[in-house]
Amino acid sequence: AQRVTQPEKLLSVFKGAPVELKCNYSYSGSPELFWYVQYSRQRLQLLLRHISRESIKGFTADLNKGETSFHLKKPFAQEEDSAMYYCALSGSGGSYIPTFGRGTSLIVHP
Amino acid sequence: DAGVTQSPTHLIKTRGQQVTLRCSPKSGHDTVSWYQQALGQGPQFIFQYYEEEERQRGNFPDRFSGHQFPNYSSELNVNALLLGDSALYLCASSLGVNHEQYFGPGTRLTVT
Repeated sequence: AQRVTQPEKLLSVFKGAPVELKCNYSYSGSPELFWYVQYSRQRLQLLLRHISRESIKGFTADLNKGETSFHLKKPFAQEEDSAMYYCALSGSGGSYIPTFGRGTSLIVHP
Repeated sequence: DAGVTQSPTHLIKTRGQQVTLRCSPKSGHDTVSWYQQALGQGPQFIFQYYEEEERQRGNFPDRFSGHQFPNYSSELNVNALLLGDSALYLCASSLGVNHEQYFGPGTRLTVT
C-alpha cells in the first residue's frame, strides 16, 4: 500500500528564514512525487513534481529514494508563502491519481 | 475560462438521505476525478471518469457512485448518507487520465 506522511501539522517561521516541509512516503516501486499548495480562499493547485526538477516560486524538492523522502525547501520564506501544503504520491507509469498526505500549514510571520 | 466549477457550494443533509454533487470540467478537459477531504486530512481519491465510464476507483463503498455526461461534466451521488460522509468533496479535471489535474473549489457536505 502507498502512504504519504507529513509529520508536521503546522510550521511557523519568520519572513526571510529557511523553510523545510517534511514528507516521507511508502511505496513498493518507483513513485512519482508531487507537492500541492492551497492558498487561503483558493483552490488546490500543483506546485511542483519531482520529475520536472523545477524550482517554482523559489521552492525545490529532491526525491531521496534511500530515505524515502521528498522534502520541500525554500531558502528565504515570504509572507505570501503562507498556505496549506500537501505532499502526494502516485504510482509509476503515468497515473496521475495522487495519494495525499494530511498537509502542513505554513505560516510566515512578518 | 472559469476553470473547474462545482455546485452547490455547500449543503446540509440528514443521515440516510441521498445527495448529488455536480462538476463541470475546465474547458478542453475530458476526464473528471472526485475526491473526499475530511477535516484535517488530505484529499482521498473516490473515482475517475473518462469517456463516460468509471476508469479507476479508490477504497470507497458502493454507496458512492458517479456519472459522466457527453459534455464531460460529472455527478457524484452518495446514498444512505452517514455522519462520516461529512466532508469537502473536490472535483478535478484533466486532459486524459494521465495528465495534471486541476481542482475545483469543492462542495462542503454536512450530514446531521
